[in-house]
Amino acid sequence: GDSVTQTEGLVTLTKGLPVMLNCTYQTTYSPFLFWYVQHLNEAPKLLLKSSTDNKRTEHQGFYATLHKSSSSFHLQKSSVQLSDSALYFCATMPNYNVLYFGSGTKLTVEP
Amino acid sequence: ETAVFQTPNYHVTQVGNEVSFNCKQTLGHDTMYWYKQDSKKLLKIMFSYNNKQLIVNETVPRRFSPQSSDKAHLNLRIKSVEPEDSAVYLCASRGLGVYAEQFFGPGTRLTVL
Repeated sequence: GDSVTQTEGLVTLTKGLPVMLNCTYQTTYSPFLFWYVQHLNEAPKLLLKSSTDNKRTEHQGFYATLHKSSSSFHLQKSSVQLSDSALYFCATMPNYNVLYFGSGTKLTVEP
Repeated sequence: ETAVFQTPNYHVTQVGNEVSFNCKQTLGHDTMYWYKQDSKKLLKIMFSYNNKQLIVNETVPRRFSPQSSDKAHLNLRIKSVEPEDSAVYLCASRGLGVYAEQFFGPGTRLTVL
């Protein structure tokens, strides 16, 4: 079935450093991939989305490129800030309706 | 700016009780969802409703039932809660288009004693 794998459960970084959060997927049909961010005690919010192979998509300093050849949609940022501390979920929407989320990566940015 | 509203924020109850959570969206969307986020923060789809028709039910126990009066409202009833139902229940809505974003509400945290 369709699924998303996030390998890092916890990532801790110092402010100003780059980050990459891994996401690989398995889908039956053409993939739609998303990154959602959830700050503490808040609702998940869409950060990025893509269905176009090898095209970089960017928002709020974060970027990701969907690579169908490797079934990946890794999230990156060149310089993390304290306010980036949150839970990050990769998700796929295999049937144009329901989101299937990965297990999430908790990013903690330290001063 | 909140456009998906959930009540209550928190609810504490005992095993065997019935609970009901409310969700309302003001975005004019046609599709609404209930997700469960457990203590490990895993997010899983429970139900999807489109124009008052249930279109997805992801092997959720029968004690859970979604209830909708119109396309702006989707409530969740749990008939007889069990300890493993303790979680945050998130409501979401989505507009038309294959690529449309899902907007989430703030969630209702249920604690079953």
